[in-house]
Amino acid sequence: KAGVTQTPRYLIKTRGQQVTLSCSPISGHRSVSWYQQTPGQGLQFLFEYFSETQRNKGNFPGRFSGRQFSNSRSEMNVSTLELGDSALYLCASSLEGTGGEKLFFGSGTQLSVL
Amino acid sequence: GEDVEQSLFLSVREGDSSVINCTYTDSSSTYLYWYKQEPGAGLQLLTYIFSNMDMKQDQRLTVLLNKKDKHLSLRIADTQTGDSAIYFCAEYGGSGTYKYIFGTGTRLKVLA
Repeated sequence: KAGVTQTPRYLIKTRGQQVTLSCSPISGHRSVSWYQQTPGQGLQFLFEYFSETQRNKGNFPGRFSGRQFSNSRSEMNVSTLELGDSALYLCASSLEGTGGEKLFFGSGTQLSVL
Repeated sequence: GEDVEQSLFLSVREGDSSVINCTYTDSSSTYLYWYKQEPGAGLQLLTYIFSNMDMKQDQRLTVLLNKKDKHLSLRIADTQTGDSAIYFCAEYGGSGTYKYIFGTGTRLKVLA
């Protein structure tokens, strides 16, 4: 069974640009969540999707958005990039997204904003 | 509010026990987790404990939960160099939240 796949692995952008990151969950998993990881801040929750619906959202500005497709693949978009958006973006999938489930993480997309 | 706190660094000698601590604030959390992150990789689940349990043991790993103090710990017995990684504790944010809250992570360094 293939794991969670995130593309691209690395990305370099400049301030003001926008970026789209992709996540393909494990086959059969319907919940996809996104996290931002920065040194000293740990993982900050961005949002969670299930069956194409956003069920929860973290405390990030509206520049951060996401969506999920009917095949459960998900994308997140960051518009008007700022230097502080440089981070590792991780996505995780699980069957239903409820407590007690194991989250399966991708290797992440390392975004650098210059 | 939601907050999960961990110390940032821990250094131990190979063969010793490691204890990584975590405090959380959401008393409604039903599940608490420990994840491990190796360099260049995503997180992998090590173990989890249901909130009505005090302790869970899984081979070299022992999880202790003090629900009154909202304190979670992970003990790794006979720590090996391969255990060097970042360890995250996490809580499930409660029924209907569909949200996992992670701590800042503890970087464990095992000295040979």
